[in-house]
Amino acid sequence: GQQLNQSPQSMFIQEGEDVSMNCTSSSIFNTWLWYKQDPGEGPVLLIALYKAGELTSNGRLTAQFGITRKDSFLNISASIPSDVGIYFCAARRTGYSTLTFGKGTMLLVSP
Amino acid sequence: EAQVTQNPRYLITVTGKKLTVTCSQNMNHEYMSWYRQDPGLGLRQIYYSMNVEVTDKGDVPEGYKVSRKEKRNFPLILESPSPNQTSLYFCASSLGGAAGELFFGEGSRLTVL
Repeated sequence: GQQLNQSPQSMFIQEGEDVSMNCTSSSIFNTWLWYKQDPGEGPVLLIALYKAGELTSNGRLTAQFGITRKDSFLNISASIPSDVGIYFCAARRTGYSTLTFGKGTMLLVSP
Repeated sequence: EAQVTQNPRYLITVTGKKLTVTCSQNMNHEYMSWYRQDPGLGLRQIYYSMNVEVTDKGDVPEGYKVSRKEKRNFPLILESPSPNQTSLYFCASSLGGAAGELFFGEGSRLTVL
């Protein structure tokens, strides 16, 4: 099946630091999505990307749809303690009815 | 309030005892899906449904059944649970079929002894 390689698996950073995580694949996708899962909750959509090269921001979060359509990254600037959680990339191929998820990046932020 | 509701949130059961995890959404979404989340494996899709009476297998369907008799409900059925089905389960729905934003329930943590 399609696989998304998400890295890093986990990060432990100080408050105020910038964070970067990414997802890569050998397959081409037409949609990239980034979700965040708070402890004890279901994932919530952060950013959706629908076009190769697209760069989209949502507050302190910025995500890009790679030009090759095989990757995407998410940056978080000036991290705060409430950024703690698991971040998942997800992607969909044209004509497919399923969304493939990466294995997640666990982010811990020290005050 | 727009939401996806799962029940039960927590369940401990024994091998072989049939159980059903219910999922209901109040957003009139056509697309619904079940995922399981396991450490180190992320979210894996079990089954999905594009609309009423239309269901299809995801990546890990073995040991599970689903039904979609009404638009709002999409129950997950474990006919004979086994310990390897111990997991955190999420139901999700979306408006735009598989292309839309997925709204997730709060999860159901299942332990099979």
